Amino acid sequence: QKEVEQNSGPLSVPEGAIASLNCTYSDRGSQSFFWYRQYSGKSPELIMFIYSNGDKEDGRFTAQLNKASQYVSLLIRDSQPSDSATYLCARSTGNQFYFGTGTSLTVIP
Amino acid sequence: DVKVTQSSRYLVKRTGEKVFLECVQDMDHENMFWYRQDPGLGLRLIYFSYDVKMKEKGDIPEGYSVSREKKERFSLILESASTNQTSMYLCASQLQGWEKLFFGSGTQLSVL
Repeated sequence: QKEVEQNSGPLSVPEGAIASLNCTYSDRGSQSFFWYRQYSGKSPELIMFIYSNGDKEDGRFTAQLNKASQYVSLLIRDSQPSDSATYLCARSTGNQFYFGTGTSLTVIP
Repeated sequence: DVKVTQSSRYLVKRTGEKVFLECVQDMDHENMFWYRQDPGLGLRLIYFSYDVKMKEKGDIPEGYSVSREKKERFSLILESASTNQTSMYLCASQLQGWEKLFFGSGTQLSVL
C-alpha cells in the first residue's frame, strides 16, 4: 500500500494559467505535508509545507490541506515555463517521511 | 541556510568495488537520510539515522550499510557494487521529526 499517491502526469498548462497538483494519503494520524519541486537531474527543493487544514499561500503558490478527505494540493498561479519540473508530495508522521512518485508539470509558452 | 554537501556529483565504479558516498550537513540536524531515486520509482529510503552511531533500515537496505560516527556526517557504503545499484543517491537532513528535509545535490552513481 502506497503511503502517498500522486498522478504522475504529465500535466501540461499554458503559460499564465493555474496548475493544480493533487496528492492523496491513507493515514489519518497526525502529520505534516510538504511540496518539493525537482528539476531534471537536480535534487528536490522545498516549495511549501502545511500542517493545518485550509489554505496556505506563498507568492504564486497555494497549498491546500483537507484532512477529512485526506488530500493535499498545490496550486501554481500565473504558471511560468520555469515552473516546468516534477513536483513531489510528501508527508511526515514525525517518525517517517513518505514521498509520492511525483507529478511532471510542463508549462507551455 | 542549511547546507547538505555530498562529496561527489558523478561517480563511476566497477562491479564488485566497495563504494563510499559521503554526506555532511552544517546545521546540527539530528536526523539524516539516504535515498535512491530511479525513474518511475520515486524516492526510496535506504537508511536513516536519528542520532550519532544510530541507524535504522529503510525500505531497501539490502546491499547497503551506513555509518554515522559524527553528528554532521552520514556515509552510505555499497559493500560490493552491482549494476542494479546504478542510480541517483540523495542525502537529506532534518532538524527533528515533523520538520522539512533538506537535500544534498545528489550523486549520480554508475556501476559498470
